Amino acid sequence: SQQGEEDPQALSIQEGENATMNCSYKTSINNLQWYRQNSGRGLVHLILIRSNEREKHSGRLRVTLDTSKKSSSLLITASRAADTASYFCATLGGDQAGTALIFGKGTTLSVSS
Amino acid sequence: DAGVIQSPRHEVTEMGQEVTLRCKPISGHNSLFWYRQTMMRGLELLIYFNNNVPIDDSGMPEDRFSAKMPNASFSTLKIQPSEPRDSAVYFCASSLGDWDIQYFGAGTRLSVL
Repeated sequence: SQQGEEDPQALSIQEGENATMNCSYKTSINNLQWYRQNSGRGLVHLILIRSNEREKHSGRLRVTLDTSKKSSSLLITASRAADTASYFCATLGGDQAGTALIFGKGTTLSVSS
Repeated sequence: DAGVIQSPRHEVTEMGQEVTLRCKPISGHNSLFWYRQTMMRGLELLIYFNNNVPIDDSGMPEDRFSAKMPNASFSTLKIQPSEPRDSAVYFCASSLGDWDIQYFGAGTRLSVL
């Protein structure tokens, strides 16, 4: 079953603009992770935010987490053509041992130059 | 480290044939995951192992699918007999623990004719 749902499904922007992707989930979590997938490749981990954190930064990436709304957002600032990829959020359940990451269906980002 | 290694990268087979996908996780990682990715269903977790023991195989679609992890450095996913609806990209991922960042292989693109 899929826990995270990304929004929008697709996003097209110009180079230099910011891109914001959202993720909503249903149950309590231990952590939430964002991954990127370039066409024809495997997923690559971008950033992990724990349930007791509200914001994290990594280079041009900024992730926020609102556990009261069960939602997260990924902001990519000053986007580049190389940021063109699909972005997935993945959640780890907070209340069960032996659980694994559950991935959403992703947001496809296209950055044109 | 070479990362997670999957073979073959591409597999084309005929309906009814047996298909075996292989995965070598990152050395030292003790959790291994098999995923299937399709346009319609997104990224689905099929099964995951912790310390070579299957923890959750609830995502395995049918008895035609089986997975093994005979040792810490090798896992297989077998489909017997294969069907056209099994056509997808199959990913293997490994992590230090089932709660940690996952590292994905490049995937095996399976086409069942």
